Amino acid sequence: SQTIHQWPATLVQPVGSPLSLECTVEGTSNPNLYWYRQAAGRGLQLLFYSVGIGQISSEVPQNLSASRPQDRQFILSSKKLLLSDSGFYLCAWNRLALRGDTQYFGPGTRLTVL
Amino acid sequence: SQQGEEDPQALSIQEGENATMNCSYKTSINNLQWYRQNSGRGLVHLILIRSNEREKHSGRLRVTLDTSKKSSSLLITASRAADTASYFCATDGGTGTASKLTFGTGTRLQVTL
Repeated sequence: SQTIHQWPATLVQPVGSPLSLECTVEGTSNPNLYWYRQAAGRGLQLLFYSVGIGQISSEVPQNLSASRPQDRQFILSSKKLLLSDSGFYLCAWNRLALRGDTQYFGPGTRLTVL
Repeated sequence: SQQGEEDPQALSIQEGENATMNCSYKTSINNLQWYRQNSGRGLVHLILIRSNEREKHSGRLRVTLDTSKKSSSLLITASRAADTASYFCATDGGTGTASKLTFGTGTRLQVTL
């Protein structure tokens, strides 16, 4: 069966510090991968998605970047965090080339920028 | 931007009652999905309904989709305390090989004993 992992689970960082959040998927190959952010009391906003190694699409302009160095690894980064980067970050995957397939979400990382 | 808007924002019912949540969206879609989120946790997929479907069932869940009105509803029958969570609709309007879900703001459901 497929599983998706995210770490760390929680993170408290000062403004201006760098960020690296990691997401890995097990039990499948060539997945589509997604990064979402959820602000407090709100729905999810799609930040980035990837259909393959090194292929990143950005949905909204922001202070963050994403990379996919391996088939089942997706990384969310920032060089300098802003207060507005605080939120709950969720990684998700679904099967490549099956547009409209269910997305499966990881447990999330709660980021607080102080 | 948030395409889906859930209604109501919050719903409190007693165990055994039915809960109905509505979702409206603005643009054409490939499918609409409903997710549940327990407090501080990741999302759990509940049901997916495609744009050419009108109704779908899964256990105690019933989802309807009206593409002419750009709306969907989620009905949870015989609710249980364990159904307490936030429920989100998400529309998929992607045109490539990746889905691009746009989430609503969610309905917070509280089921009391």
